[in-house]
Amino acid sequence: AQTVTQSQPEMSVQEAETVTLSCTYDTSESDYYLFWYKQPPSRQMILVIRQEAYKQQNATENRFSVNFQKAAKSFSLKISDSQLGDAAMYFCAYRSGLSGGGADGLTFGKGTHLIIQP
Amino acid sequence: DGGITQSPKYLFRKEGQNVTLSCEQNLNHDAMYWYRQDPGQGLRLIYYSQIVNDFQKGDIAEGYSVSREKKESFPLTVTSAQKNPTAFYLCASTSGQYQETQYFGPGTRLLVL
Repeated sequence: AQTVTQSQPEMSVQEAETVTLSCTYDTSESDYYLFWYKQPPSRQMILVIRQEAYKQQNATENRFSVNFQKAAKSFSLKISDSQLGDAAMYFCAYRSGLSGGGADGLTFGKGTHLIIQP
Repeated sequence: DGGITQSPKYLFRKEGQNVTLSCEQNLNHDAMYWYRQDPGQGLRLIYYSQIVNDFQKGDIAEGYSVSREKKESFPLTVTSAQKNPTAFYLCASTSGQYQETQYFGPGTRLLVL
């Protein structure tokens, strides 16, 4: 079974600075997907960014980018120019690429609480 | 607008009572999922369904039941056999070429009286 580990229960960053959230995972598969989700106080889960394991290029979405190291099984999220609205829980998630049709669901880490200092 | 809706937002259950959480989507997604979130924890998969009239157990299915009679709807019943039902429940459905990306509803908070 796959596992996802987020080793930072809480991170704090000054507004406008850059912060990196860590995620490692364990899998024997070569084909899979990785995701970062944001959960603000409203508790709605919001997709931030996704990465396909077969792609070498790191995904980027505006101020959010990832550092995907497949050999090291590492998938960190970098948030540039941090804003107050970025304050939330951030979850790393894994999805097997072997099962078609969206089967099996996602495996989540326990999350990192990101605090933005004004 | 297209999206995933969950109701109610808050639900109270008495001891020995079954309660049903609603999840509806108008995104024409095939696969739907139910997750449970406990404080300080990530989400854990309860049940999922790839097509109508078919569903599979996830990691923590004991004490829960589901049905998938319509593509748009995937209700979750928390039965009296679930001894610790207090949690936040999230429904999701998938998009993407390989249905790999999950989008979530706003969630239901279940509390035991």
